Amino acid sequence: QKEVEQNSGPLSVPEGAIASLNCTYSDRGSQSFFWYRQYSGKSPELIMFIYSNGDKEDGRFTAQLNKASQYVSLLIRDSQPSDSATYLCAVKELGNTPLVFGKGTRLSVIA
Amino acid sequence: DAGVIQSPRHEVTEMGQEVTLRCKPISGHDYLFWYRQTMMRGLELLIYFNNNVPIDDSGMPEDRFSAKMPNASFSTLKIQPSEPRDSAVYFCASSVLGIYGYTFGSGTRLTVV
Repeated sequence: QKEVEQNSGPLSVPEGAIASLNCTYSDRGSQSFFWYRQYSGKSPELIMFIYSNGDKEDGRFTAQLNKASQYVSLLIRDSQPSDSATYLCAVKELGNTPLVFGKGTRLSVIA
Repeated sequence: DAGVIQSPRHEVTEMGQEVTLRCKPISGHDYLFWYRQTMMRGLELLIYFNNNVPIDDSGMPEDRFSAKMPNASFSTLKIQPSEPRDSAVYFCASSVLGIYGYTFGSGTRLTVV
């Protein structure tokens, strides 16, 4: 049973701070990793993805991957109240396999 | 591009009734996925299609659930008969090659009373 684990939160950070969201996965065959943001009552939307060990930056967002530790994280710099949402981690094996999602971490950015 | 289109947005039905959820994927996307989301279980994959062919339906909870994709631009998820425990948000998503991130529809919130 492939598992993707996330702390459900809520994670509360003050406006302007760095929010750090973490995700661990059980399947060592996992090859690609995705972060989705889901506002309350809305559908998940893709923020970014990462395939290789290390960091990948996109604006205020940085994804970090450590395959040896089976760990992926998302950093949000200069957090804004508009970043308040649930963040879903998703993991995919190589080939014709679907994404497996974690249950998400709820982030609250306090103004 | 209009994105992934789902209908209806909300559905309230009585236990025992048949429910049909509809999805139009993004044109050119060859993968279509049906997910169900609840607070307790998160996002669960029910079934997915590649080029209109069902690839894996192991996530379909019971025989009461069925899904079809008669062509590249339309899919349905049917529940017959519906039960209160089927209440959830059902998402359809589509993807190119299945290797990139998925684009989700706006979802159907199903309530079975």
